Amino acid sequence: DAKTTQPNSMESNEEEPVHLPCNHSTISGTDYIHWYRQLPSQGPEYVIHGLTSNVNNRMASLAIAEDRKSSTLILHRATLRDAAVYYCILRRRSGSARQLTFGSGTQLTVLP
Amino acid sequence: NAGVTQTPKFRVLKTGQSMTLLCAQDMNHEYMYWYRQDPGMGLRLIHYSVGEGTTAKGEVPDGYNVSRLKKQNFLLGLESAAPSQTSVYFCASSYDPKLGGAESSYEQYFGPGTRLTVT
Repeated sequence: DAKTTQPNSMESNEEEPVHLPCNHSTISGTDYIHWYRQLPSQGPEYVIHGLTSNVNNRMASLAIAEDRKSSTLILHRATLRDAAVYYCILRRRSGSARQLTFGSGTQLTVLP
Repeated sequence: NAGVTQTPKFRVLKTGQSMTLLCAQDMNHEYMYWYRQDPGMGLRLIHYSVGEGTTAKGEVPDGYNVSRLKKQNFLLGLESAAPSQTSVYFCASSYDPKLGGAESSYEQYFGPGTRLTVT
């Protein structure tokens, strides 16, 4: 499976935008880019996903590089409740299991 | 909807004891998964199920067994617990995109976790 690389940790000030990078240089054409986050002492929760085009939803935006070798999760105005571990995951479009392979993610700290 | 629930929330076992973790979902999802998460690490897939009566091994299946007798329940068993199985266990469920849903229907919904300590 293709691998993702994320910084171990990042800091942001409250109410400022946050850009969380992810490198996936070995991504294949059938891989979707998924982002999940894990709040303290909780299970992961889905944030957003994309294939080729940039995506927006109520939680975040996902910017995907033209060559798809990297992507950036954008939180437009970080709040204290956004402090979490953010996982960038590649999911193969084919196959029966639809598995997610979690790396170690980026620990986001939001400063008041 | 309760979503995905897990029982128990906490458990302490002695080495060699057995136990079963229960996962239940009320979203009529076909797929269910068991993950473990060790401190400072991401989740690793133990076993999964693509439908009632079917199970398959994930990345780290050794020492665990699973059963999916009912669509809404997925059980994870430890026959002889070892200290290396001390971890937080998460269950998840999702739709089967092959049934016609969009990629977004693949989203996995996770339970709150079970913290297991084996001494």
